[in-house]
Amino acid sequence: GAGVSQSPSNKVTEKGKDVELRCDPISGHTALYWYRQRLGQGLEFLIYFQGNSAPDKSGLPSDRFSAERTGESVSTLTIQRTQQEDSAVYLCASSPGTGFYEQYFGPGTRLTVT
Amino acid sequence: AQRVTQPEKLLSVFKGAPVELKCNYSYSGSPELFWYVQYSRQRLQLLLRHISRESIKGFTADLNKGETSFHLKKPFAQEEDSAMYYCALRAGATNKLIFGTGTLLAVQP
Repeated sequence: GAGVSQSPSNKVTEKGKDVELRCDPISGHTALYWYRQRLGQGLEFLIYFQGNSAPDKSGLPSDRFSAERTGESVSTLTIQRTQQEDSAVYLCASSPGTGFYEQYFGPGTRLTVT
Repeated sequence: AQRVTQPEKLLSVFKGAPVELKCNYSYSGSPELFWYVQYSRQRLQLLLRHISRESIKGFTADLNKGETSFHLKKPFAQEEDSAMYYCALRAGATNKLIFGTGTLLAVQP
């Protein structure tokens, strides 16, 4: 079956603009995660959804970052007033539930803020 | 604090040599640890997890709670093992993964 998909694959934006990144999880996966990977660093957790509620938003770096999820499907990560330090690869992952399930990762969106 | 440390950015070995990718963690509870791998132009994927105690593609990893380590080992490296390897810690009930900075394994012919 289809894996996790993300769009766009690449996004270049000017500082100060808003961007929306999309994630389509594997069908039936109730848990969805967003991570960020800045150059030379490991993946940083941003936010976790179980269904359409977000019980863990502890990784969102500022109030410019927000995310929502429609039911148990697509999620959108929005970054307002982008800054150069927001440049990174944004990865989405989904899993059948919480607990011991494997997280399946998407290909990522490479965001460049100029 | 919850933290995963991978001290080596790059590990270069020759084909057939043993490989050990180091991972140390800091976590106050009972840890659940994973190794993820990213081959060139592919997405991040799970390699193995400590609770399974299995060998995948010849790789094994043993959780050492005394040394807070979860090193990844393979007795004989193959060229197709060349990839980026990330150690990750599942932080209890939160379900999020805490990743190390990764080690690039380069297996030379």
